[in-house]
Amino acid sequence: ILNVEQSPQSLHVQEGDSTNFTCSFPSSNFYALHWYRWETAKSPEALFVMTLNGDEKKKGRISATLNTKEGYSYLYIKGSQPEDSATYLCASTNQAGTALIFGKGTTLSVSS
Amino acid sequence: DAGITQSPRHKVTETGTPVTLRCHQTENHRYMYWYRQDPGHGLRLIHYSYGVKDTDKGEVSDGYSVSRSKTEDFLLTLESATSSQTSVYFCAIKARGNDYGYTFGSGTRLTVV
Repeated sequence: ILNVEQSPQSLHVQEGDSTNFTCSFPSSNFYALHWYRWETAKSPEALFVMTLNGDEKKKGRISATLNTKEGYSYLYIKGSQPEDSATYLCASTNQAGTALIFGKGTTLSVSS
Repeated sequence: DAGITQSPRHKVTETGTPVTLRCHQTENHRYMYWYRQDPGHGLRLIHYSYGVKDTDKGEVSDGYSVSRSKTEDFLLTLESATSSQTSVYFCAIKARGNDYGYTFGSGTRLTVV
């Protein structure tokens, strides 16, 4: 079973702070790395899908990087806002490339 | 979410009874997945399908079976429900290709008493 690890497990920041999370995954048989945003009482929503080593993606104040050779990805949030409060999930494809295996997530809480 | 619906949204059932959860999509996507969400475990893959009648097991498949007789429907069956299967179940769909993310349904909250 492929292990996808995320850290930290939870994080509390003040409005305006910038923050980042880490996702690590096995680098062998890599197909894709996904980031999802999951708000309480809602369903996970896709943020980024990255497939190439060195990929960098950005959506507003949120960005992500990918290193497939060493097996890690970073998610950055610049100038955190209360509406950024959510659980951020990282997922990598299984060995066959047919399904995603998720990490346990990083829960971000932003205080105003 | 648009294009994917799960039913029922909530269900309470007794231990030992069979339960079937339905995932329906209107996107004509090839790939469909069932995950369960539990505190401390995140999302864990139960079963998935890569086409009509083509399914495979995930990391927590024991006690579950699936069927996909047509593209739009993916059914998850608990043959004999146990309390350990109390969970929130999410269905997801994906278009073919590595560049696409998953679209998740709204979830089914199942309680086995």
